[in-house]
Amino acid sequence: QQPVQSPQAVILREGEDAVINCSSSKALYSVHWYRQKHGEAPVFLMILLKGGEQKGHEKISASFNEKKQQSSLYLTASQLSYSGTYFCGTAPLRATNSGGYQKVTFGTGTKLQVIP
Amino acid sequence: DGGITQSPKYLFRKEGQNVTLSCEQNLNHDAMYWYRQDPGQGLRLIYYSQIVNDFQKGDIAEGYSVSREKKESFPLTVTSAQKNPTAFYLCASSPQGQGNSPLHFGNGTRLTVT
Repeated sequence: QQPVQSPQAVILREGEDAVINCSSSKALYSVHWYRQKHGEAPVFLMILLKGGEQKGHEKISASFNEKKQQSSLYLTASQLSYSGTYFCGTAPLRATNSGGYQKVTFGTGTKLQVIP
Repeated sequence: DGGITQSPKYLFRKEGQNVTLSCEQNLNHDAMYWYRQDPGQGLRLIYYSQIVNDFQKGDIAEGYSVSREKKESFPLTVTSAQKNPTAFYLCASSPQGQGNSPLHFGNGTRLTVT
């Protein structure tokens, strides 16, 4: 089942902060975050594997609340280069199929625009 | 530099024709995937392969077929049975299971069927 992302779109001025949320109806094994610029391939930002884990990538960080089955992506002091669509992907916490495969299902994305 | 190459970038076909999208990787990754992207719908998994000569259906496999004869290559055929083939198609790979390793994406093929 597809995770739900919010907000669907956000406009920021350079230097402002933003939070993008991703929630699932299922218990989660991992949460992935990607950013995609228009017409380009999605680029990996980070994976969060443990409950309560927090990771950072420059001024972008994320948290994973295993109990609430949700993750949040934090963008601080936004830059023009942060513009794009952010996708979360979730892998469920359940028995894997043969070979250990866990499928990642992506949300519909959050479109972020940073303006000068 | 290692990466994933998708070709062509733009593809135009007439309705009723089969078309094959190419995906090649030199990352030595075991797993490869095909996603379809439509506006406002995120990425939806079509097929995936964890190892050579083996592949599995994803969420929207109807009207598509794949092969995995070589580790480096995972071509996708969009058949005439696919009712709405016009979309942006992304190929990806990962070193191991998708749950705990990042996906590396190609630059995509935009298919237009008229």
